[in-house]
Amino acid sequence: GAGVSQSPRYKVAKRGQDVALRCDPISGHVSLFWYQQALGQGPEFLTYFQNEAQLDKSGLPSDRFFAERPEGSVSTLKIQRTQQEDSAVYLCASSLVGGGASDTQYFGPGTRLTVL
Amino acid sequence: SQQGEEDPQALSIQEGENATMNCSYKTSINNLQWYRQNSGRGLVHLILIRSNEREKHSGRLRVTLDTSKKSSSLLITASRAADTASYFCATSSGGSNYKLTFGKGTLLTVNP
Repeated sequence: GAGVSQSPRYKVAKRGQDVALRCDPISGHVSLFWYQQALGQGPEFLTYFQNEAQLDKSGLPSDRFFAERPEGSVSTLKIQRTQQEDSAVYLCASSLVGGGASDTQYFGPGTRLTVL
Repeated sequence: SQQGEEDPQALSIQEGENATMNCSYKTSINNLQWYRQNSGRGLVHLILIRSNEREKHSGRLRVTLDTSKKSSSLLITASRAADTASYFCATSSGGSNYKLTFGKGTLLTVNP
């Protein structure tokens, strides 16, 4: 079956541009997560949705980062006025139920963002 | 911030040998998971071990958890070239049990 998909796979932006990254979770999955992975590091949590509700945005680095999931399925991570330090791979994950401790998160292939 | 710390940072072995990677963490956890990441398939979940479990097996994988030492190990037996990847441990803890905290990973290279 289809897994988590993300688009675009690669994005190059000039410093100061706005970007929008899309995530299509596995159909029927309630929970959706965004992570940021810098080169040579493990992923770091950004934000968590349960259906359309954003329950945790504690990992968003600044108010330039904004995520939404208006209909409880597709999600968009938007970064305004991109900076070089935003260069990273942005990973989306989904899980079947409410993001509990035993719920496996399935990851997409990521979007590699490069800010010049 | 990274909770887990994998050891070693890099490991190179021959096909057929066993590979052992370790993970240490700092705070009490609900569970610990191991993920594999390579360029072809992204980040893939391997195995989850709960805080009240000590050992778990899945195919050629064996995971142990020692909560008194705040550490876990992942053993891959009879390694294959296809096992070449980065391996991460990830923990969830406290009330935010949905939030995975990853280590920096171990880069495993299996030479044919």
